[in-house]
Amino acid sequence: GQNIDQPTEMTATEGAIVQINCTYQTSGFNGLFWYQQHAGEAPTFLSYNVLDGLEEKGRFSSFLSRSKGYSYLLLKELQMKDSASYLCAPADSNYQLIWGAGTKLIIKP
Amino acid sequence: IAGITQAPTSQILAAGRRMTLRCTQDMRHNAMYWYRQDLGLGLRLIHYSNTAGTTGKGEVPDGYSVSRANTDDFPLTLASAVPSQTSVYFCASSDSSGESYNEQFFGPGTRLTVL
Repeated sequence: GQNIDQPTEMTATEGAIVQINCTYQTSGFNGLFWYQQHAGEAPTFLSYNVLDGLEEKGRFSSFLSRSKGYSYLLLKELQMKDSASYLCAPADSNYQLIWGAGTKLIIKP
Repeated sequence: IAGITQAPTSQILAAGRRMTLRCTQDMRHNAMYWYRQDLGLGLRLIHYSNTAGTTGKGEVPDGYSVSRANTDDFPLTLASAVPSQTSVYFCASSDSSGESYNEQFFGPGTRLTVL
C-alpha cells in the first residue's frame, strides 16, 4: 500500500532551525512535494524534489533520498509566521499526489 | 478572477439534500482535482480530471460526482448528502503533462457541514 509518515507536531523557537522528516512508500515515484498550510487556509507550494539531494530556496531547503524513501524540509531562521502545518506529498506512478497528514509546527518566541 | 476560486465559502446542509460545490480556474491548467480534508488525516483525492471531457475516481469517490465540460470549471456534486461528508473541500489545478509534473494550486476551500 501507499503510506506517508511525518511527525504530528513539532515545537521550535523563533530564530532557530527545524527539520521536518517524512518517510514514504508509494506505487512508483515521480517526485516529492512539500506544501505549507496555515490554519483555515489552503495549502501553498514550497518545494519539489525529483532527484536525490538538497534543494535550497531562501530560508527553506528540502532533501530527498529515493533509495531510503525519505525526505526532509529544513526551515532556518524561524519566524512566527512559519507557524503552520507542513505537508509531505510524493507523486506516485500515475502522478497522483499521496498526502501525509501533515506536521503542525509551533513557533515560540 | 485570479487563480482558482471556489463557491460557496461555507455551507450548512441537511442530510439527503443535493449540493454542488463550484470550482473555476483561469490559469488554463489541463488538470483539476477535488480533495477533502478532515482533522488528523491527509488530503484525500475524491475525483480528478486530466483534461476537459475526462474524469477519474480518486481514493474516496463514493457519494460524489464530477463533470469537466470545459477547461475552466470542475463542479463537485453530492447527490444525497450524509453527515460523514462534513469536511473541508479543496479544489486544485495543475499544468501537468505526461512527461512532467508541476505543482498543484489550491482554491480557498469550501467548509461543508451536513446535519
